[in-house]
Amino acid sequence: EAGVAQSPRYKIIEKRQSVAFWCNPISGHATLYWYQQILGQGPKLLIQFQNNGVVDDSQLPKDRFSAERLKGVDSTLKIQPAKLEDSAVYLCASSFVSGVNTEAFFGQGTRLTVV
Amino acid sequence: DQQVKQNSPSLSVQEGRISILNCDYTNSMFDYFLWYKKYPAEGPTFLISISSIKDKNEDGRFTVFLNKSAKHLSLHIVPSQPGDSAVYFCAASGYNQGGKLIFGQGTELSVKP
Repeated sequence: EAGVAQSPRYKIIEKRQSVAFWCNPISGHATLYWYQQILGQGPKLLIQFQNNGVVDDSQLPKDRFSAERLKGVDSTLKIQPAKLEDSAVYLCASSFVSGVNTEAFFGQGTRLTVV
Repeated sequence: DQQVKQNSPSLSVQEGRISILNCDYTNSMFDYFLWYKKYPAEGPTFLISISSIKDKNEDGRFTVFLNKSAKHLSLHIVPSQPGDSAVYFCAASGYNQGGKLIFGQGTELSVKP
């Protein structure tokens, strides 16, 4: 079974530029998550999708971050404009269902450096 | 507010000995707890979980203990191996969380040969 795929693996941009990350979840997984992990901290949820609908985006800085999951499969996370404090690893995860106790499977992440 | 806390940033143990990683939580509505392991430049991988209806769950060398009254859980690795060296994250979830995981800050385990 293929895992969660993310691209790119690494990205360096200047502040005020825009950037986009892509995620392809495990086949058949209805729930998709985007997490932000700042160095030395645990992953923090940015947004959760159930199929192509948003379940939770309470921690997403909506003035600069946006995410979509068209057709309930792939997802993209965009930052525009980027700030220095956005430097982090952006992790995509998926799970078979949401609302019940189950583990999430993570991709390798995209390491973003904003200079 | 940090709902899930791992107060030890690092832990060093000798190969063959027991590793004990600790985690505390504050939200009494959490009813499902997980441990993830993370190697550098990789995403977290699921290790073991426990439901709040249990106080212990075992999988090979890994055992998770849950003390609901103390809002504390721990991960025991016996015997520890050098390949266990990684960052371990504790995570919690619950029905009122909609399935999302709340993570602790992580503990870096180093197992020395």
